[in-house]
Amino acid sequence: QVTLKESGPALVKPTQTLTLTCTFSGFSLSTIGMRVSWIRQPPGKALEWLARIDWDDDKFYSTSLKTRLSISKDTSKNQVALTLTNVDPADTATYYCARKPSAQDGMDVWGQGTTVTVSS
Amino acid sequence: DIQMTQSPSTLSASVGDRVTITCRASQSISTWVAWYQQRPGIAPQLLIYGASSLKSGVPSRFSGSGSGTEFTLTISSLQPDDFATYYCQQYLTDSPWTFGQGTKVEIK
Repeated sequence: QVTLKESGPALVKPTQTLTLTCTFSGFSLSTIGMRVSWIRQPPGKALEWLARIDWDDDKFYSTSLKTRLSISKDTSKNQVALTLTNVDPADTATYYCARKPSAQDGMDVWGQGTTVTVSS
Repeated sequence: DIQMTQSPSTLSASVGDRVTITCRASQSISTWVAWYQQRPGIAPQLLIYGASSLKSGVPSRFSGSGSGTEFTLTISSLQPDDFATYYCQQYLTDSPWTFGQGTKVEIK
């Protein structure tokens, strides 16, 4: 069974760095074609794709956020981490991770999401 | 980034109606499009990938079509479970990915 679960702080202060971890099971990020993405959703708003990391360690970022984002993987721990620097109240959102098993597939399994509030 | 313009933003329909949602890409993306359904408070769920391939387990009343820049999601006969928000997403391999703004399907 494939599962993903996001974890991290529920509350961060403006200007701080947010670090989130996606811990997954049921698949390996070493498998050719496998990708894991981070997506967020501010309250009442649309989904926003943030970043992805591929099985071969290729990384892609949202153009509007790429100066603040960093994504990494620890294949041995089945984890993908996302850091977002210099957070602002506009970064308040539910953050999801999701896997994409090949180039052709969509993001077929998502985590339940973790809610992050940016406030002083 | 490739922009995905989704329409309409809200749609009012009745059980049994045929419903169509459109997504337009700012440049050609072949068939690298997925559609997701999201119910309130729950993570999105994949419905369609590759513009027209139905994910295993998804009811056959959902279908997708299109290529290049114009894509549609059709629900052939709307069911009570289908009242939700739908998003298109482009996933061109060597580019940042993007979502459409979403279409909320409401009860008429």
